[in-house]
Amino acid sequence: GQSLEQPSEVTAVEGAIVQINCTYQTSGFYGLSWYQQHDGGAPTFLSYNALDGLEEKGRFSSFLSRSKGYSYLLLKELQMKDSASYLCAGRDTGRRALTFGSGTRLQVQP
Amino acid sequence: NAGVTQTPKFRILKIGQSMTLQCAQDMNHNYMYWYRQDPGMGLKLIYYSVGAGITDKGEVPNGYNVSRSTTEDFPLRLELAAPSQTSVYFCASSYSRLADEQYFGPGTRLTVT
Repeated sequence: GQSLEQPSEVTAVEGAIVQINCTYQTSGFYGLSWYQQHDGGAPTFLSYNALDGLEEKGRFSSFLSRSKGYSYLLLKELQMKDSASYLCAGRDTGRRALTFGSGTRLQVQP
Repeated sequence: NAGVTQTPKFRILKIGQSMTLQCAQDMNHNYMYWYRQDPGMGLKLIYYSVGAGITDKGEVPNGYNVSRSTTEDFPLRLELAAPSQTSVYFCASSYSRLADEQYFGPGTRLTVT
């Protein structure tokens, strides 16, 4: 099956902008989703890109390039509460379930 | 709406015991899913269901069983628990048209010793 690759950890400073990348080896996904998961908590849905391009939702933006097998999540004006893991997820064409990446742990420092 | 609820929150099992993890949702979602998450790892799909009476295997189904007799409930059965099943189990649901936007329950932390 498909796999999605993410860096394991990213560190950034409060108020800054950070980009979290997600790559996959084929272009067989319908689209790509991003989820946030705080330590000890459940994943919560952040965004979904069905088409190539940038989707903006407040401080969070997500970008997708299906031809390059590449997506990123952009977080602006970082706050301490943004410290969490961020998971990308894709759904294979013909399947009804998501495949998740291993997640990127974001540490926001003061 | 309560969303997706899971019980129990925590459980310790001895090797060879069996148990059922309960999951219910009140959003009238037709798709439901069970995932497990090992420490520092992503989510692995165990089983999913696209409607009452219809279930299908995910990536890691061995050692588990599911049933879906109603739209609301999707229990996960562990038979003959093994230490390798120590994990956090999440149930999730979604609309079929929005399968990429899943709503997760709070999780069940299971330890098998």
